[in-house]
Amino acid sequence: GNSVTQMEGPVTLSEEAFLTINCTYTATGYPSLFWYVQYPGEGLQLLLKATKADDKGSNKGFEATYRKETTSFHLEKGSVQVSDSAVYFCALSESAGGTSYGKLTFGQGTILTVHP
Amino acid sequence: DAGITQSPRHKVTETGTPVTLRCHQTENHRYMYWYRQDPGHGLRLIHYSYGVKDTDKGEVSDGYSVSRSKTEDFLLTLESATSSQTSVYFCAISGSSGEAKTQYFGPGTRLLVL
Repeated sequence: GNSVTQMEGPVTLSEEAFLTINCTYTATGYPSLFWYVQYPGEGLQLLLKATKADDKGSNKGFEATYRKETTSFHLEKGSVQVSDSAVYFCALSESAGGTSYGKLTFGQGTILTVHP
Repeated sequence: DAGITQSPRHKVTETGTPVTLRCHQTENHRYMYWYRQDPGHGLRLIHYSYGVKDTDKGEVSDGYSVSRSKTEDFLLTLESATSSQTSVYFCAISGSSGEAKTQYFGPGTRLLVL
């Protein structure tokens, strides 16, 4: 079956540091890949996504590139802010064809804390 | 923000009692999902719906049932709550065409089973 593995957390950084959160996946076919973010006490929000190999998703300074050869979708940001402190989830959705119904498989989440 | 509400937002109940959580959407989206969030597990799919009266099981469906009698409402029922069902429950919705496969999440319901 499908699975998503994220780097172990928590991750603690100083403001303006470079961020990488690793994500690798196992899936059949050609899944879509997502990063969701969860701020304290809230639901998940879509951060970015990529639907095919070599696509780069980007939003709010975050980027991730869909690497089919390494089955990876690592999240990066060049300069983090205190306001980026949250839990980050990598997820995949099975191919749009067939009867996948868009179900998501999530990684376990990575807690990011950014200090001033 | 997608129009998704969940009720109640917090609930404390006792083992063995039935519990129903409600998800309501105003987006007229076809697909609706129930997930639970537990430390170390991320979010896991409980049940999902692909239309009115059309539902199916997810990864962790044991002990849960769902119903969808109208497009806007998706109910999750714990027939006889157990302490292992203490969790945060999230509802999500998604449209019916390619770009709209992105899921949008509700604010969550925090359930404590004593």
